Amino acid sequence: QSVLTQPPSASGTPGQRVTISCSGSSSNIGSNIVNWYQHLPGTAPTLLIYTNNERPSGVPDRFSGSKSGTSASLAITGLQSEDEANYYCAAWDDSLDGWVFGGGTKVTVL
Amino acid sequence: QVHLVQSGAEVKKPGSSVRVSCKASGGTYAINWVRQAPGQGLEWLGRIIPILQIENYAQIFQGRLTINADRSTSTAYMELNSLRSDDTAVYYCAREGLGATYFDSWGHGTQVSVSS
Repeated sequence: QSVLTQPPSASGTPGQRVTISCSGSSSNIGSNIVNWYQHLPGTAPTLLIYTNNERPSGVPDRFSGSKSGTSASLAITGLQSEDEANYYCAAWDDSLDGWVFGGGTKVTVL
Repeated sequence: QVHLVQSGAEVKKPGSSVRVSCKASGGTYAINWVRQAPGQGLEWLGRIIPILQIENYAQIFQGRLTINADRSTSTAYMELNSLRSDDTAVYYCAREGLGATYFDSWGHGTQVSVSS
């Protein structure tokens, strides 16, 4: 059971918008920044969104992040086939004194 | 960009220990260890901040996991004891840079298989 809660799956057709939610608590998302990671099978995870809504250089602007209260979300607009991957939210948890991840959301492009 | 190079795959017996290394090509503030078991999501194990000599561990690994670092070689180590079959996973190291509360570089992963 992950500390942060994500839907296990999401899907869309090419060009559609897909959103992934990440629900936490006051000790993690409620008081700290949220990061998102993209993980393709057989490769290392990569940083997708940091500090709630910032994109590292090289990440397409169709990826965006937001945070409100104890929840965060990742949006993919203009879904592309190469966006098929697992997506994880993460935040520092002050009570656990460590990083916590969501369970991951598998995005499928139909 | 800082590159992280991890040691190679390991096959271990239940009850034994495994040590995985992670060498950084540049400066780091903290090195974290994250694993992914087959069919599961990412799980944070712990981290070390070498310059402050601070270690943090996920509660479920307390007493079984040791993370240390050799600043002279920019290498971090993760040692997991009393291995069980459910420790079979790919283990990643991931870097936090100074002033950066996120993992901006990841190692390629080390497969650890635990089987009798």
